[in-house]
Amino acid sequence: SYELTQPPSVSVSPGQTASITCSGDKLGDTYASWYQQKPGQSPVLVIYQDSKRPSGIPERFSGSNSGNTATLAISETQAMDEADYYCQAWDSTTVVFGGGTKLTVL
Amino acid sequence: QVQLQESGPGLGKPSETLSLTCTVSAYSISSGYYWGWIRQPPGKGLEWIGSIYHSGSTYYNPSLKSRVTISVDTSKNQFSLKLTSVTAADTAVYYCARQQSGYDSLYYYYMDVWGKGTTVTVSS
Repeated sequence: SYELTQPPSVSVSPGQTASITCSGDKLGDTYASWYQQKPGQSPVLVIYQDSKRPSGIPERFSGSNSGNTATLAISETQAMDEADYYCQAWDSTTVVFGGGTKLTVL
Repeated sequence: QVQLQESGPGLGKPSETLSLTCTVSAYSISSGYYWGWIRQPPGKGLEWIGSIYHSGSTYYNPSLKSRVTISVDTSKNQFSLKLTSVTAADTAVYYCARQQSGYDSLYYYYMDVWGKGTTVTVSS
């Protein structure tokens, strides 16, 4: 079965850029999406089709995907960005999620 | 604005069948899209369970396929999940979501609208 691997945790200082990676075999041959989930809340889509932002998502959120790695970047990170982030891709007939990354804004 | 709301028993016993329903508002299921179920065990990550198209075609997570049935009732604007032979490992928050899918140089498939989730505990 297809697997997506994310680092369990990433730390960033306020105002700096946070980068969260998602690795999978030939991930660049499919589209990646990213979700933000804060404690006690439902996931929220922040990036789809590698780099597109839904309405209402700040421009600080950006995405890229090439080779075996997709990356979510959050520039000018704020305390409100502290959350769990999940990548997701589509493998033939299966939706696959990464294990999630806890972003801590120190 | 499309909204999804999960409903169903919050407690079940081992070996029983879990049944949940997702009610969609401000959008007619029969108009299109895939509709899916995702779960999250306590303290763990997201796990896709399966999806159904408005026409009734389904995709299931291979690891759950033998126990899962997803159905749609367009007259009630609802879709449902049945999970048989539950164990404590099925304890989780269960989310329903609308799924966008299509082809734009590559196939894409993502969840753009989520319900608030419902907690299901399996315990004797």
